[in-house]
Amino acid sequence: DGGITQSPKYLFRKEGQNVTLSCEQNLNHDAMYWYRQDPGQGLRLIYYSQIVNDFQKGDIAEGYSVSREKKESFPLTVTSAQKNPTAFYLCASSLTDREGELFFGEGSRLTVL
Amino acid sequence: GNSVTQMEGPVTLSEEAFLTINCTYTATGYPSLFWYVQYPGEGLQLLLKATKADDKGSNKGFEATYRKETTSFHLEKGSVQVSDSAVYFCALSGGSTLGRLYFGRGTQLTVWP
Repeated sequence: DGGITQSPKYLFRKEGQNVTLSCEQNLNHDAMYWYRQDPGQGLRLIYYSQIVNDFQKGDIAEGYSVSREKKESFPLTVTSAQKNPTAFYLCASSLTDREGELFFGEGSRLTVL
Repeated sequence: GNSVTQMEGPVTLSEEAFLTINCTYTATGYPSLFWYVQYPGEGLQLLLKATKADDKGSNKGFEATYRKETTSFHLEKGSVQVSDSAVYFCALSGGSTLGRLYFGRGTQLTVWP
Protein backbone atom coordinates (compact mmCIF):
# COMPACT_ATOMS: atom_id res chain seq x y z
CA ASP A 1 0.00 0.00 0.00
CA GLY A 2 1.13 3.54 -0.68
CA GLY A 3 1.85 5.77 2.23
CA ILE A 4 4.32 7.47 4.50
CA THR A 5 6.51 5.55 6.92
CA GLN A 6 8.14 7.23 9.87
CA SER A 7 10.69 5.58 12.11
CA PRO A 8 11.33 5.08 14.88
CA LYS A 9 7.91 5.40 16.50
CA TYR A 10 9.45 6.11 19.90
CA LEU A 11 12.91 7.48 20.57
CA PHE A 12 14.77 8.46 23.71
CA ARG A 13 17.78 10.73 23.65
CA LYS A 14 20.18 12.13 26.16
CA GLU A 15 20.77 15.85 26.24
CA GLY A 16 23.56 16.91 23.91
CA GLN A 17 22.95 14.15 21.38
CA ASN A 18 21.78 14.58 17.82
CA VAL A 19 19.05 12.26 16.58
CA THR A 20 17.70 11.62 13.09
CA LEU A 21 14.06 10.78 12.35
CA SER A 22 13.33 8.90 9.16
CA CYS A 23 10.50 9.68 6.75
CA GLU A 24 9.93 7.66 3.57
CA GLN A 25 7.04 7.92 1.11
CA ASN A 26 6.09 5.76 -1.85
CA LEU A 27 3.32 8.04 -3.11
CA ASN A 28 5.55 9.68 -5.74
CA HIS A 29 4.82 13.04 -4.14
CA ASP A 30 7.05 16.01 -4.89
CA ALA A 31 6.52 17.95 -1.66
CA MET A 32 7.35 16.82 1.87
CA TYR A 33 6.98 18.48 5.26
CA TRP A 34 7.99 18.12 8.89
CA TYR A 35 5.66 19.33 11.62
CA ARG A 36 6.09 19.39 15.36
CA GLN A 37 3.07 18.74 17.60
CA ASP A 38 2.97 19.80 21.23
CA PRO A 39 -0.03 19.37 23.55
CA GLY A 40 -2.52 22.18 23.11
CA GLN A 41 -0.45 23.94 20.43
CA GLY A 42 -1.51 22.34 17.21
CA LEU A 43 1.09 21.65 14.54
CA ARG A 44 3.98 23.93 13.70
CA LEU A 45 6.00 23.67 10.51
CA ILE A 46 9.71 22.93 10.89
CA TYR A 47 10.92 22.47 7.31
CA TYR A 48 9.41 21.70 3.95
CA SER A 49 10.73 20.59 0.58
CA GLN A 50 9.03 21.31 -2.70
CA ILE A 51 11.35 19.22 -4.81
CA VAL A 52 14.44 17.05 -4.57
CA ASN A 53 17.63 18.85 -3.48
CA ASP A 54 15.66 21.86 -2.27
CA PHE A 55 14.11 22.74 1.10
CA GLN A 56 12.96 25.80 3.04
CA LYS A 57 12.70 26.72 6.69
CA GLY A 58 9.30 26.76 8.31
CA ASP A 59 8.29 28.65 11.44
CA ILE A 60 10.46 26.81 13.97
CA ALA A 61 13.55 25.61 12.07
CA GLU A 62 16.13 26.56 14.71
CA GLY A 63 17.89 23.49 16.08
CA TYR A 64 16.75 21.24 13.23
CA SER A 65 18.24 20.22 9.90
CA VAL A 66 16.96 18.27 6.89
CA SER A 67 18.11 16.86 3.59
CA ARG A 68 16.25 15.84 0.43
CA GLU A 69 18.63 13.78 -1.65
CA LYS A 70 15.93 11.43 -2.91
CA LYS A 71 12.33 12.11 -3.81
CA GLU A 72 11.01 9.49 -1.43
CA SER A 73 13.08 10.43 1.62
CA PHE A 74 13.11 13.50 3.88
CA PRO A 75 14.98 12.81 7.14
CA LEU A 76 14.92 15.28 10.02
CA THR A 77 17.85 15.72 12.40
CA VAL A 78 17.14 17.15 15.82
CA THR A 79 20.40 18.68 16.94
CA SER A 80 21.68 19.44 20.40
CA ALA A 81 21.00 23.10 19.65
CA GLN A 82 17.24 22.49 19.88
CA LYS A 83 16.35 23.76 23.34
CA ASN A 84 13.16 21.79 23.93
CA PRO A 85 13.15 18.78 21.60
CA THR A 86 10.69 16.54 23.46
CA ALA A 87 7.66 16.41 21.17
CA PHE A 88 5.67 14.41 18.65
CA TYR A 89 7.05 14.82 15.10
CA LEU A 90 4.90 14.32 12.03
CA CYS A 91 6.07 13.95 8.47
CA ALA A 92 3.71 14.66 5.58
CA SER A 93 3.72 14.81 1.82
CA SER A 94 1.60 16.25 -0.96
CA LEU A 95 1.50 15.63 -4.68
CA THR A 96 2.91 19.08 -5.34
CA ASP A 97 3.41 22.17 -3.24
CA ARG A 98 0.24 23.52 -4.84
CA GLU A 99 -1.87 20.88 -3.13
CA GLY A 100 -3.46 21.52 0.23
CA GLU A 101 -4.16 17.87 0.92
CA LEU A 102 -1.38 16.42 3.01
CA PHE A 103 -0.81 12.75 3.73
CA PHE A 104 0.68 12.15 7.15
CA GLY A 105 2.81 9.45 8.66
CA GLU A 106 1.98 8.00 12.07
CA GLY A 107 4.53 10.16 13.83
CA SER A 108 7.65 9.77 15.94
CA ARG A 109 7.65 10.59 19.64
CA LEU A 110 10.99 11.93 20.84
CA THR A 111 11.76 12.14 24.54
CA VAL A 112 14.91 13.80 25.83
CA LEU A 113 16.05 12.40 29.15
CA GLY B 1 -0.50 36.86 8.40
CA ASN B 2 -2.26 33.52 8.38
CA SER B 3 -3.73 31.98 11.52
CA VAL B 4 -6.52 29.69 12.65
CA THR B 5 -8.49 29.84 15.90
CA GLN B 6 -10.47 26.82 17.09
CA MET B 7 -12.80 26.48 20.01
CA GLU B 8 -11.16 25.17 23.14
CA GLY B 9 -11.73 21.58 24.07
CA PRO B 10 -12.27 19.06 25.26
CA VAL B 11 -15.76 18.45 23.94
CA THR B 12 -17.69 15.58 25.49
CA LEU B 13 -20.94 14.35 23.95
CA SER B 14 -23.31 11.43 24.17
CA GLU B 15 -23.78 9.22 21.14
CA GLU B 16 -26.24 10.67 18.58
CA ALA B 17 -25.76 14.23 19.85
CA PHE B 18 -25.21 17.16 17.49
CA LEU B 19 -21.63 18.37 17.10
CA THR B 20 -20.30 21.82 16.30
CA ILE B 21 -16.62 22.74 16.49
CA ASN B 22 -16.01 26.40 15.73
CA CYS B 23 -13.15 27.56 13.54
CA THR B 24 -12.31 31.08 12.43
CA TYR B 25 -9.37 32.22 10.40
CA THR B 26 -7.23 35.18 9.40
CA ALA B 27 -5.62 35.04 6.00
CA THR B 28 -4.23 37.08 3.18
CA GLY B 29 -5.71 36.36 -0.20
CA TYR B 30 -8.10 33.48 -0.77
CA PRO B 31 -7.08 30.44 1.24
CA SER B 32 -8.37 26.90 1.01
CA LEU B 33 -9.76 25.51 4.27
CA PHE B 34 -9.48 22.04 5.73
CA TRP B 35 -10.52 19.84 8.60
CA TYR B 36 -8.12 17.08 9.59
CA VAL B 37 -8.77 14.35 12.14
CA GLN B 38 -6.27 12.54 14.35
CA TYR B 39 -7.29 9.26 15.96
CA PRO B 40 -5.37 8.12 19.05
CA GLY B 41 -1.78 7.16 18.30
CA GLU B 42 -2.03 8.01 14.62
CA GLY B 43 -1.08 10.77 12.22
CA LEU B 44 -3.57 13.22 10.78
CA GLN B 45 -5.88 12.44 7.89
CA LEU B 46 -7.93 14.79 5.77
CA LEU B 47 -11.61 14.84 6.74
CA LEU B 48 -12.95 17.49 4.34
CA LYS B 49 -11.98 20.62 2.50
CA ALA B 50 -13.36 23.70 0.72
CA THR B 51 -11.43 25.73 -1.77
CA LYS B 52 -13.57 28.85 -2.25
CA ALA B 53 -16.21 30.94 -0.53
CA ASP B 54 -19.62 29.27 -0.02
CA ASP B 55 -18.23 25.83 -0.84
CA LYS B 56 -19.40 23.06 1.48
CA GLY B 57 -17.05 20.21 2.26
CA SER B 58 -18.54 16.95 3.47
CA ASN B 59 -17.39 13.47 4.40
CA LYS B 60 -18.54 10.67 6.75
CA GLY B 61 -21.51 12.77 7.88
CA PHE B 62 -19.37 15.79 8.74
CA GLU B 63 -19.92 19.12 7.00
CA ALA B 64 -18.31 22.55 6.97
CA THR B 65 -19.13 25.63 4.89
CA TYR B 66 -16.53 28.21 3.84
CA ARG B 67 -17.98 31.54 5.03
CA LYS B 68 -15.88 34.43 3.77
CA GLU B 69 -18.08 37.11 5.34
CA THR B 70 -17.55 35.70 8.84
CA THR B 71 -14.12 34.13 8.10
CA SER B 72 -15.37 30.86 9.51
CA PHE B 73 -15.33 27.15 8.69
CA HIS B 74 -17.28 25.46 11.49
CA LEU B 75 -17.40 21.66 11.58
CA GLU B 76 -20.79 20.01 12.16
CA LYS B 77 -22.22 16.53 12.41
CA GLY B 78 -25.84 15.73 13.09
CA SER B 79 -25.35 12.54 15.09
CA VAL B 80 -21.97 11.59 16.49
CA GLN B 81 -20.77 8.07 17.17
CA VAL B 82 -18.28 6.67 19.65
CA SER B 83 -15.94 6.05 16.73
CA ASP B 84 -15.80 9.83 16.07
CA SER B 85 -13.76 10.32 19.23
CA ALA B 86 -10.55 11.99 18.05
CA VAL B 87 -8.77 15.32 17.84
CA TYR B 88 -10.00 17.63 15.08
CA PHE B 89 -7.80 20.28 13.48
CA CYS B 90 -8.91 23.18 11.36
CA ALA B 91 -6.30 24.38 8.85
CA LEU B 92 -5.82 26.81 6.03
CA SER B 93 -3.43 26.98 3.14
CA GLY B 94 -2.29 30.14 1.53
CA GLY B 95 0.57 31.95 -0.08
CA SER B 96 2.64 30.58 -2.89
CA THR B 97 3.01 27.17 -1.28
CA LEU B 98 -0.48 25.80 -0.83
CA GLY B 99 0.79 22.67 0.85
CA ARG B 100 2.13 24.81 3.65
CA LEU B 101 -0.78 24.55 6.06
CA TYR B 102 -1.49 26.65 9.11
CA PHE B 103 -3.19 24.61 11.83
CA GLY B 104 -5.42 25.46 14.73
CA ARG B 105 -4.62 24.02 18.15
CA GLY B 106 -6.96 21.09 17.78
CA THR B 107 -10.17 20.15 19.61
CA GLN B 108 -10.42 16.87 21.49
CA LEU B 109 -13.81 15.19 21.02
CA THR B 110 -14.94 12.32 23.25
CA VAL B 111 -18.23 10.56 22.54
CA TRP B 112 -19.78 8.34 25.20
CA PRO B 113 -22.17 5.47 24.42
